[in-house]
Amino acid sequence: DGGITQSPKYLFRKEGQNVTLSCEQNLNHDAMYWYRQDPGQGLRLIYYSQIVNDFQKGDIAEGYSVSREKKESFPLTVTSAQKNPTAFYLCASSEMAGPYEQYFGPGTRLTVT
Amino acid sequence: KNQVEQSPQSLIILEGKNCTLQCNYTVSPFSNLRWYKQDTGRGPVSLTIMTFSENTKSNGRYTATLDADTKQSSLHITASQLSDSASYICVVSALYNFNKFYFGSGTKLNVKP
Repeated sequence: DGGITQSPKYLFRKEGQNVTLSCEQNLNHDAMYWYRQDPGQGLRLIYYSQIVNDFQKGDIAEGYSVSREKKESFPLTVTSAQKNPTAFYLCASSEMAGPYEQYFGPGTRLTVT
Repeated sequence: KNQVEQSPQSLIILEGKNCTLQCNYTVSPFSNLRWYKQDTGRGPVSLTIMTFSENTKSNGRYTATLDADTKQSSLHITASQLSDSASYICVVSALYNFNKFYFGSGTKLNVKP
């Protein structure tokens, strides 16, 4: 079954702790993305990557970090520097040609108290 | 400024009725427009993707229209079902900027029995 997996589905952390969200895809897509979704707002881009070992900041990268050591994997670390980390996080992937349709993972809901 | 605006913010309809959701955009130059369905707590799933030359596209009970001159799109749902209860998100891409997707904040549809 081709697709994108994110784990865990729910994550709880204490303030001041770093936390890493997993994203894996087997669609053979070159591009991968991390978005944050808050109630009543459109998805906001955190980071994206077009190729292994390269990634670019999105609109709200402060307090987040990523790595792209393998084509299939694009983990996101939410650091203690992120002021308001509680949110729903979505990972997506797309090809780098054609209509660039994005395929989304099921999401991870992070709650920081 | 490139923007995507959706209306209404929320909508309640009775099962079996039809409804139409609106999406207005200012993204330029336009590449394509997608409609996604997002169930609560899940990742968005693509319903349709429309390019400049297409003005109508159907996917079962979902029909999307695009007027590239007025920069408007609509998503019409026919004979609604309880499972149509979800948020519907309009996403627009610009030419020459493949990794930039402009997201609307979504319309939350509630279908009641």
